[in-house]
Amino acid sequence: EPEVTQTPSHQVTQMGQEVILRCVPISNHLYFYWYRQILGQKVEFLVSFYNNEISEKSEIFDDQFSVERPDGSNFTLKIRSTKLEDSAMYFCASRNQGNEVYGYTFGSGTRLTVV
Amino acid sequence: GQNIDQPTEMTATEGAIVQINCTYQTSGFNGLFWYQQHAGEAPTFLSYNVLDGLEEKGRFSSFLSRSKGYSYLLLKELQMKDSASYLCAPFNFNKFYFGSGTKLNVKP
Repeated sequence: EPEVTQTPSHQVTQMGQEVILRCVPISNHLYFYWYRQILGQKVEFLVSFYNNEISEKSEIFDDQFSVERPDGSNFTLKIRSTKLEDSAMYFCASRNQGNEVYGYTFGSGTRLTVV
Repeated sequence: GQNIDQPTEMTATEGAIVQINCTYQTSGFNGLFWYQQHAGEAPTFLSYNVLDGLEEKGRFSSFLSRSKGYSYLLLKELQMKDSASYLCAPFNFNKFYFGSGTKLNVKP
């Protein structure tokens, strides 16, 4: 069964450092997403990406965040200057066009710890 | 804005049936998903409703009433491995709105 792959599974970084979280969506998927989940809290939408541009972003997704699809397979989330409150689990997801239902697939997540 | 309410925690006995309720108010609605999430892991898909009524999928069933903004997830023949958080997630074409989840504890 196709999977969304995220790397690394865990990352520890110092406050103020830049981090890049990587995702490899399912190969024929066209829509890409990032969500985050602070420990003990709900999963929150960050951003959606389609046709090489952001289609929607939440209030959380401020100027410190950016997304990129640098090649045909990777989808990255960059945090420019990490803060303690960025510590969370970050989930990538993807889906194919016209398959909103069962095709929406989450990756296993990257646990980011900012110290 | 979005508002999704579900109980914080529930306890049930192995072999029993449990119903997890969810009420929601969201801007835009195209369906409602239920996800299971074990601690430290990604949400995994359980069930989906787009029309009113009951959808059955093995031991799991989900019900939706769009006019009432209400859904429930029904878990039958509970097993110890069903101990997890259950997330109610209304869907609006492009993204999910997740509830805080209901932590289900299954006792022997």
